[in-house]
Amino acid sequence: GAVVSQHPSWVICKSGTSVKIECRSLDFQATTMFWYRQFPKQSLMLMATSNEGSKATYEQGVEKDKFLINHASLTLSTLTVTSAHPEDSSFYICSAHGTGRAYEQYFGPGTRLTVT
Amino acid sequence: GDSVTQMEGPVTLSEEAFLTINCTYTATGYPSLFWYVQYPGEGLQLLLKATKADDKGSNKGFEATYRKETTSFHLEKGSVQVSDSAVYFCALSQGGSEKLVFGKGTKLTVNP
Repeated sequence: GAVVSQHPSWVICKSGTSVKIECRSLDFQATTMFWYRQFPKQSLMLMATSNEGSKATYEQGVEKDKFLINHASLTLSTLTVTSAHPEDSSFYICSAHGTGRAYEQYFGPGTRLTVT
Repeated sequence: GDSVTQMEGPVTLSEEAFLTINCTYTATGYPSLFWYVQYPGEGLQLLLKATKADDKGSNKGFEATYRKETTSFHLEKGSVQVSDSAVYFCALSQGGSEKLVFGKGTKLTVNP
């Protein structure tokens, strides 16, 4: 099956700094990528939809200036958490939807962010 | 808005036991329904799906039937294995949209 990678798998940063998380589709082109946030014992919450070459579409309540998303190519999307605070600590998961692959998304393994 | 409710975990079973994880949904129209599985340390993987009422999705011995009358999509397996230990997520999407709405997930542990 298709593979989606995320880097880093975990990161610890200090409050006020910015952190970039990469999401790559390794063996297929992804026209659309999604970014989710998952709290402990909670569901995955969609943060934004990222389309290659255009601005991301953010879900209601997600601060676009805080969570910067760039989908620069058909295989790479990045999420930058700017001026991170402890409340941003979470598990961030990306998924990629390939061309010609109906009804199925491929998920990355997730990135654990801890802000101290 | 659309939502998915699945049974709270964790669920602990012995090998070869019967598994049911309940999932109900609230949505307008006729959503597509999915079960995803997340093994430890890995990303979510699509387990099975159903796109219209009365469809049965099946994979790896797991089954789920799209029941419009009860707005349910319960996951079942007749005989679980230790390797089935994972977190299971029920999800829906609307009208060909790629956006998924997830339940909270149910952690399954199967003991030998």
